[in-house]
Amino acid sequence: DTGVSQDPRHKITKRGQNVTFRCDPISEHNRLYWYRQTLGQGPEFLTYFQNEAQLEKSRLLSDRFSAERPKGSFSTLEIQRTEQGDSAMYLCASSLGGGRPEQYFGPGTRLTVT
Amino acid sequence: GNSVTQMEGPVTLSEEAFLTINCTYTATGYPSLFWYVQYPGEGLQLLLKATKADDKGSNKGFEATYRKETTSFHLEKGSVQVSDSAVYFCALTTTGNQFYFGTGTSLTVIP
Repeated sequence: DTGVSQDPRHKITKRGQNVTFRCDPISEHNRLYWYRQTLGQGPEFLTYFQNEAQLEKSRLLSDRFSAERPKGSFSTLEIQRTEQGDSAMYLCASSLGGGRPEQYFGPGTRLTVT
Repeated sequence: GNSVTQMEGPVTLSEEAFLTINCTYTATGYPSLFWYVQYPGEGLQLLLKATKADDKGSNKGFEATYRKETTSFHLEKGSVQVSDSAVYFCALTTTGNQFYFGTGTSLTVIP
C-alpha cells in the first residue's frame, strides 16, 4: 500500500493561466475524491468518481473546473483561466466504498495564483 | 443539511495533560463519524471512526464515542505528547461519498 500520491506538490501560476493536477489513488480503491482546503478551514468536497464515472459534483465546481478519471485509475483536475480566489490546497482522497467509507488522503497540491 | 461544528482553537496543553476536543454534528440521515489529524506540511490522516450510535473509535491513545442523543463525537486522550501537536478535524458522511469537515482545531503540546 503506497498511499495516495499527488503531483505537483506546489504550483504557482499567473492569473488567467490553466493548471492541471494529478492524483494516483491507492491501487485497489475504486472511489476517488477531490476536495479544496483554504487556510484555517476544513476540506470542502468538489467531486467524486466511482471507477471512471464522475457521479457527484459540488456547486463549488465552477465551469472552469474539470476532472477526469479516464481509466478508473489516476485522476486529473484542471482549472482553466485561474483566478486569485482559486488559491488553495487541492486534496485527493480514495476509498474502497461499500461498507468501508473511510477516505485516505494524499499530501495535496498547493496552488498559488498571482 | 449536513454540518460539523468543532470547538474553537488553538488549544495549548502541557505534556501529559488530558485532551478533549468537542465536535457536534447535524445530519440528514444516519452518519458515520471520523476524526482526522493533519501534521504540519502533511495530508490528512485517518485517526479513528465510528459508524453507529454508541460505537467507540480508538487509535494511538485517542478515543471518541458516537453519541446520537447529543449528536456529538468528542475526541479525548488521557495524556498528550509533544508529538500530538497537529490540527484535528471532525468529519461525517451520510452517503459514504461526500465528507463534511469541521474547521479544524489546532493543538500545541508544550514540554
